[in-house]
Amino acid sequence: EPEVTQTPSHQVTQMGQEVILRCVPISNHLYFYWYRQILGQKVEFLVSFYNNEISEKSEIFDDQFSVERPDGSNFTLKIRSTNLEDSAMYFCASRVGPLWETQYFGPGTRLLVL
Amino acid sequence: LAKTTQPISMDSYEGQEVNITCSHNNIATNDYITWYQQFPSQGPRFIIQGYKTKVTNEVASLFIPADRKSSTLSLPRVSLSDTAVYYCLVGDGGNQGGKLIFGQGTELSVKP
Repeated sequence: EPEVTQTPSHQVTQMGQEVILRCVPISNHLYFYWYRQILGQKVEFLVSFYNNEISEKSEIFDDQFSVERPDGSNFTLKIRSTNLEDSAMYFCASRVGPLWETQYFGPGTRLLVL
Repeated sequence: LAKTTQPISMDSYEGQEVNITCSHNNIATNDYITWYQQFPSQGPRFIIQGYKTKVTNEVASLFIPADRKSSTLSLPRVSLSDTAVYYCLVGDGGNQGGKLIFGQGTELSVKP
């Protein structure tokens, strides 16, 4: 069964450093998402991406965040200058079509900012 | 997106049937009801989706009354591996964004 993959599985970084989280969505999917989950809290929407542009972003997704689909397979989330509060699990998700269809989540990247 | 309310936690024993009810009083005509499961340190996983009446798949059943203001996820004969957080989501996702809004979910604990 096709699946969303994410790398790295874990990342430790120093405050103020840039991090890039990578995702490979399912190949025929057209809609891409990033979510995050701070330890012990609920899953929060960050950004959605379609047709090579951001469709929607949450208040969390400020100027420190950016997304990119540099080629036909990868979907990246960049945090320009990490803060301690950015420590969380980051999940990438994708879905195939525009209607209310299943979003498939990746296994996540656990980011720890020291 | 319609607000949902579900129990914070539930306990069960292996082999029992578990029913988790979600309230969504302001569900809109175009809204679907979707349930996700999340194991610790993993991404949410789609379980089942429905619009009205009853839907069944190899994992669960979803019961939706005629007024659609609530729904019940039914897990038959749970095992220890069903211990997870279960989320009820309501929305139409009809826009290009289609973001999912997760609540706190129901933490199901299955005991031997």
